[in-house]
Amino acid sequence: GENVEQHPSTLSVQEGDSAVIKCTYSDSASNYFPWYKQELGKGPQLIIDIRSNVGEKKDQRIAVTLNKTAKHFSLHITETQPEDSAVYFCAARGDAGGTSYGKLTFGQGTILTVHP
Amino acid sequence: EPEVTQTPSHQVTQMGQEVILRCVPISNHLYFYWYRQILGQKVEFLVSFYNNEISEKSEIFDDQFSVERPDGSNFTLKIRSTKLEDSAMYFCASSEKGLLGELFFGEGSRLTVL
Repeated sequence: GENVEQHPSTLSVQEGDSAVIKCTYSDSASNYFPWYKQELGKGPQLIIDIRSNVGEKKDQRIAVTLNKTAKHFSLHITETQPEDSAVYFCAARGDAGGTSYGKLTFGQGTILTVHP
Repeated sequence: EPEVTQTPSHQVTQMGQEVILRCVPISNHLYFYWYRQILGQKVEFLVSFYNNEISEKSEIFDDQFSVERPDGSNFTLKIRSTKLEDSAMYFCASSEKGLLGELFFGEGSRLTVL
């Protein structure tokens, strides 16, 4: 089955700096890669996603890049703000030969702390 | 904005007791999921549910677990005889389009088994 590895486990930056979180996946059939932000006591919230027919996607201060050949994808947050502090999870999803109905495999999570 | 709601937010139970966690998915969604997150670990897939039946389940989802959509709006996860290792945050999620759509997660139900 799919395995997703995420690095780093913790990331500390100063407000205004950029933050980059990287993930690798094992199943070349995976074709959908969402990123979730989880604040304390809350469920994961989708912040951006990318599909395998696209190399990069941007939404204001957040961007995701995908390298299908290397099987890795990254989250980039520019001009970080204290409210960006949270746990970020990457995930991957394939179609498992048509038997999957959207199962996501998650990375371990990255605790991002943005210092004012 | 529509959201997935879960109850209870926290449940404490004794080992061996039955627990039911409830979820109300987003109203026009057709695909439903349960995930769990043991403290400090990855979010793990448990089960997906579509068209009133389980479509996929993980090895975690053994005979002690069951899911049900009893009334067209609720989606429940039952653990028949809880074990200490069932202590975790359980997240319900729903999707309009399954494989083609985004998953929206609820805020979770924290289960503590003593």
